[in-house]
Amino acid sequence: EIVLTQSPGTLSLSPGERATLSCRASQSVSSGFLVWYQQKPGQAPRLLIYGASSRATGIPDRFRGSGSGTDFILTISRLEPEDFAVYYCQQYGRSPYTFGQGTKLEIK
Amino acid sequence: EVQLVQSGAEVKKPGESLKISCKVSGYSFTTYWIAWVRQMSGKGLEFMGIIYPADSDTRYSPSFQGQVTISADKSIRTAYLQWSRLKASDSAVYYCARLTDIAVVPALDYWGLGTLVTVSS
Repeated sequence: EIVLTQSPGTLSLSPGERATLSCRASQSVSSGFLVWYQQKPGQAPRLLIYGASSRATGIPDRFRGSGSGTDFILTISRLEPEDFAVYYCQQYGRSPYTFGQGTKLEIK
Repeated sequence: EVQLVQSGAEVKKPGESLKISCKVSGYSFTTYWIAWVRQMSGKGLEFMGIIYPADSDTRYSPSFQGQVTISADKSIRTAYLQWSRLKASDSAVYYCARLTDIAVVPALDYWGLGTLVTVSS
């Protein structure tokens, strides 16, 4: 099983700042098979990034995914109030298709 | 418009059985896999398994193999998640989601709102 470790667990930033979230895999994951989701309290997750770097429909360009192999990054260039949420990475490189434990992005 | 409409919240006792549903609309039900994801209270997302409604090919994550059954009825465009004997530890929100293009660039692109299952004596 591929274990995804997200860091930090919690990130405290202010609106307008830049956020950098990490997702590290225990084995190499093909870039096409790494996905990021956003989840707000009481809501279902929302697809942000697929194929490691492609934004899903309707996702603003301040969200950027990058990385390869075992190290992947989600960058939010200028935080908006609505961006404060929990972010999960997920891999489809090998079954079972595991999620990371999540990074909570909170307002400082 | 793609929609996945899940059945309502359930309150059950340990040992009881349960089947929750996910009815889809707005796309061809038989051309996309459907996934089930568990989220226990205050915790992260756990991938349970997937089903391909066209032929009911089903794959489970090891943690959930033998614990739940995933099925689908393509005549009514509905996927199901069921338990034969619930445990308190099955209490969680369960999401269904559409899995795009599993072999090329997979992702869960549309999600249901979730079904809250509470198991308590």
